Amino acid sequence: DGGITQSPKYLFRKEGQNVTLSCEQNLNHDAMYWYRQDPGQGLRLIYYSQIVNDFQKGDIAEGYSVSREKKESFPLTVTSAQKNPTAFYLCASSISTDTEAFFGQGTRLTVV
Amino acid sequence: QKEVEQNSGPLSVPEGAIASLNCTYSDRGSQSFFWYRQYSGKSPELIMFIYSNGDKEDGRFTAQLNKASQYVSLLIRDSQPSDSATYLCAVNRLTGGGNKLTFGTGTQLKVEL
Repeated sequence: DGGITQSPKYLFRKEGQNVTLSCEQNLNHDAMYWYRQDPGQGLRLIYYSQIVNDFQKGDIAEGYSVSREKKESFPLTVTSAQKNPTAFYLCASSISTDTEAFFGQGTRLTVV
Repeated sequence: QKEVEQNSGPLSVPEGAIASLNCTYSDRGSQSFFWYRQYSGKSPELIMFIYSNGDKEDGRFTAQLNKASQYVSLLIRDSQPSDSATYLCAVNRLTGGGNKLTFGTGTQLKVEL
């Protein structure tokens, strides 16, 4: 099946720990994105990547890091520097950055 | 000024009516425009995209774009209870870091029986 896979679906983290969210796509898309969604809010862009080995900060990059070593993978690390990490994290991909994006099923991160 | 603005709603319409959802954007250089539907607890799914001024129809959905007014809308004809969801407007614009896809906060639509 072609698509975008995020794992895990639910993730619990203790305060002070780093955690990495996985995003894999087999659509041969060049562009990939990470968004964060809080209750009652829209999607806020964390990082985006136009092509492998390249990525750009979005609007709320502080406390997050990414890598894009392979075209199909764009993992997001939530570091201990992120003060309010509890949220719904969404990964998306598109053929290029000016075409429609498709989303994975999301990861719900809760800090306990 | 927010890059992409939508009324949060809720917008309530009776079943069978036309629902009209609106979105404005701040960057005149924005190039492409998208509407997504998001059910509670789920990820967004693409409904339509539009690149040129005018109307674009797909089944019960019509997207309208007016670049001069920096306005994009989505019309849903013959609204059904299953259309009840949050509708997100997204705008793509070219920045120094490449094309950036920015979302509005979404409009909650409720279709009542």
